[in-house]
Amino acid sequence: QKEVEQNSGPLSVPEGAIASLNCTYSDRGSQSFFWYRQYSGKSPELIMFIYSNGDKEDGRFTAQLNKASQYVSLLIRDSQPSDSATYLCAGRGDNYGQNFVFGPGTRLSVLP
Amino acid sequence: GAGVSQSPSNKVTEKGKDVELRCDPISGHTALYWYRQSLGQGLEFLIYFQGNSAPDKSGLPSDRFSAERTGGSVSTLTIQRTQQEDSAVYLCASSLGPGRGGVNEQFFGPGTRLTVL
Repeated sequence: QKEVEQNSGPLSVPEGAIASLNCTYSDRGSQSFFWYRQYSGKSPELIMFIYSNGDKEDGRFTAQLNKASQYVSLLIRDSQPSDSATYLCAGRGDNYGQNFVFGPGTRLSVLP
Repeated sequence: GAGVSQSPSNKVTEKGKDVELRCDPISGHTALYWYRQSLGQGLEFLIYFQGNSAPDKSGLPSDRFSAERTGGSVSTLTIQRTQQEDSAVYLCASSLGPGRGGVNEQFFGPGTRLTVL
């Protein structure tokens, strides 16, 4: 059974702080990882993807991947109240026909 | 627009009726996915179409659920003899075919909110 695990939260951080969201996965065949943000009542939207070990930065967001530990994280610097949402982690393999596997999501609350 | 579209946006039906939900993927996307999301819950995978391959139906919760994808584009999710526990938001997503480099992210439609009375 391929699984992606996330702490459901809620994770509460004060405005301006760094929010750290974590994700672990069971399938070593997973090659690419995706972080989606979902506001209440809305569809998920992609924030970042990562497929190489190490860090990938995009603005206030940094994704980190450690394939040896089967661990993915998302850091949000200078957190804003508008970042309050549920963050979904997903992984997929690169072989033809392999599906995405989503985690249950972590609810983030940024307090003004 | 060039995004994934779904219809209807809202559907209210009576228990026991059949419903059809439609998804129009992004043009050129060969992969199409259906998910179900109950209030406050995560995404529940239902079915996955990839090109002309046989679909992955492993997530369909019962034989009341079925889906088709005609001509490799539009997909219809059908729920027969709806039950109250079928009430949820049904999300469709599409992506380019699998490949290397992580460029094949999913793009989600706005969803169909199904309410079974």
